[in-house]
Amino acid sequence: DAKTTQPPSMDCAEGRAANLPCNHSTISGNEYVYWYRQIHSQGPQYIIHGLKNNETNEMASLIITEDRKSSTLILPHATLRDTAVYYCIVNAGNNRKLIWGLGTSLAVNP
Amino acid sequence: GAVVSQHPSRVICKSGTSVKIECRSLDFQATTMFWYRQFPKQSLMLMATSNEGSKATYEQGVEKDKFLINHASLTLSTLTVTSAHPEDSSFYICSAREREVGTGELFFGEGSRLTVL
Repeated sequence: DAKTTQPPSMDCAEGRAANLPCNHSTISGNEYVYWYRQIHSQGPQYIIHGLKNNETNEMASLIITEDRKSSTLILPHATLRDTAVYYCIVNAGNNRKLIWGLGTSLAVNP
Repeated sequence: GAVVSQHPSRVICKSGTSVKIECRSLDFQATTMFWYRQFPKQSLMLMATSNEGSKATYEQGVEKDKFLINHASLTLSTLTVTSAHPEDSSFYICSAREREVGTGELFFGEGSRLTVL
């Protein structure tokens, strides 16, 4: 699976948009971009995934660059409960052997 | 979304004893379940892939005789830490993939924190 690079930490003000970047320059054509988050001492939670097109759901938006070498997860109106470690993972979809990096620790501040 | 439940959420045991952790998919059938271990301030490390009705596939460096995995049904997988030692203290997390779903998400349990005294 392709390796991803994320900043180790980010801060965001409550109510503002949180934009979390991820680089995956070696992504293969059949690999999807997945985002999960992990709140302290809990299991990871799925957020969103995409292949080429931008995606949006009730939790977040995923913007994938045209060359697919990077993506951005957007939390439109961050709340204190969004404080967590966010993981960007690339995977070929039918292979669930996800390789987890250290993610980005997002702190949402009041 | 789909729900995966782990039990127990916390367990404390004496060194040398065995501990069983259950992972259940509550509202879907899971052909495949995954077991992870996470040490403090570290990322999730895949231990093994559990396939219903067949032997689990272990990652390199994970002792299959120490970490026994049983996936006897489409809704239950168990991880047994045998002869536990203090270095086995960790956060164990399972995840499950819904059967016949292509590129959908994995669903994770709440995690089980094991402390070996």
